[in-house]
Amino acid sequence: GQNIDQPTEMTATEGAIVQINCTYQTSGFNGLFWYQQHAGEAPTFLSYNVLDGLEEKGRFSSFLSRSKGYSYLLLKELQMKDSASYLCAATDSNYQLIWGAGTKLIIKP
Amino acid sequence: IAGITQAPTSQILAAGRRMTLRCTQDMRHNAMYWYRQDLGLGLRLIHYSNTAGTTGKGEVPDGYSVSRANTDDFPLTLASAVPSQTSVYFCASSEGQGGGEAFFGQGTRLTVV
Repeated sequence: GQNIDQPTEMTATEGAIVQINCTYQTSGFNGLFWYQQHAGEAPTFLSYNVLDGLEEKGRFSSFLSRSKGYSYLLLKELQMKDSASYLCAATDSNYQLIWGAGTKLIIKP
Repeated sequence: IAGITQAPTSQILAAGRRMTLRCTQDMRHNAMYWYRQDLGLGLRLIHYSNTAGTTGKGEVPDGYSVSRANTDDFPLTLASAVPSQTSVYFCASSEGQGGGEAFFGQGTRLTVV
């Protein structure tokens, strides 16, 4: 079957760095997405990886290893506004998105 | 402002009633999707449309139907609502089939009582 695993909840301190991991098993693979979702709001796009390696975009970076079925989202210089859920989603061979349940990130002062 | 709009934003519905959730996008995206989001579960695909005039079933299509008469609109209909359909429903669109950034509507919070 198809499956996306990510931690349910993480806590970090303002100004610190946090890494949110995601492992995936899909029938075929056509890329991995990370989305941010604040409570009561819609998901918004953060990053997309299709090749192995690190993609950096400001304070956020995303890494992909296709051979390991693994990705992570790295958030640096954490701010209180980064408190949100982070959703990992993999695109299968039919180009459909398979979503993880999301990681709720709590930032403490 | 270009984007994707859902209506209503919230609704309380009696079980057995018929309900249509509306979704409109003005980005001329080919692909559109309906998801439901329940606590502790990931977004689950209900139905999708890769282009106007075509639709497909997602992971949890039972009890729901969709139509795609034109590029902009993608309504979701619950023929006879049941309490298990209580959820937050998100409509989304993307330029192409499964590829590229997906843009989401603000969601419809539906409670079936």
